[in-house]
Amino acid sequence: EVQLVESGGGLVQPGGSLTLSCAASGFTFSNCAMSWVRQAPGKGLQWVSGFGDTAGRSYYADSVKGRFTISRDDSRNTLYLQMNSLRDEDTAIYYCAKRFNSAWDFEYWGQGALVIVSS
Amino acid sequence: QSALTQPASVSGSPGQSITISCTGTSSDVGGYNYVSWYQQHPGKAPKLMIYGVTNRPSGVSNRFSGSKSGNTASLTISGLQAEDEADYYCSSFRGTYTLLFGGGTKLTVL
Repeated sequence: EVQLVESGGGLVQPGGSLTLSCAASGFTFSNCAMSWVRQAPGKGLQWVSGFGDTAGRSYYADSVKGRFTISRDDSRNTLYLQMNSLRDEDTAIYYCAKRFNSAWDFEYWGQGALVIVSS
Repeated sequence: QSALTQPASVSGSPGQSITISCTGTSSDVGGYNYVSWYQQHPGKAPKLMIYGVTNRPSGVSNRFSGSKSGNTASLTISGLQAEDEADYYCSSFRGTYTLLFGGGTKLTVL
């Protein structure tokens, strides 16, 4: 059974940093395309960052480029999202998601980690 | 990156069919066949309903179908059921190696 479990969410002040983790199990994680998608309270989905189908290639939404860094540890089956210079508008539930047919569609999602940026 | 355009809400009676549109540009929806649709019930993670414009993952009812014409993709739900009431989001690959989502459509089953 595929499982994705996010952790690391919490309350952080504007300008602060936070790192999210996504522990994966039930599939071959190594080189599997994965993404982070967020959802602000009461709002729609927004893709944040992801690894494509080409090993090692990562991509970012313009709104987080230069502030967020996606990484992975295939030996630990874990995906990370390091978030720096956080802003109020980064407040959201952050989901990790596993590719399905391509790197751009997601069949499995975690339960989400809530990040609140507030002073 | 601007979101794809979806109607804010649609409604239909049980047994009817509804269609949700998703409008982008030639740089995303119109240029690639990486359009997906997700269903999201309150408090739950999204569920993949359609991928690659027209394909259904196994286990998704054949009442759900997808299509595309030009820069607009569509999700059609036939034989509406109460359990279909949810938010629906489209997504599309964009040529700059990013993914866009639509703003979401709230489906109400009357």
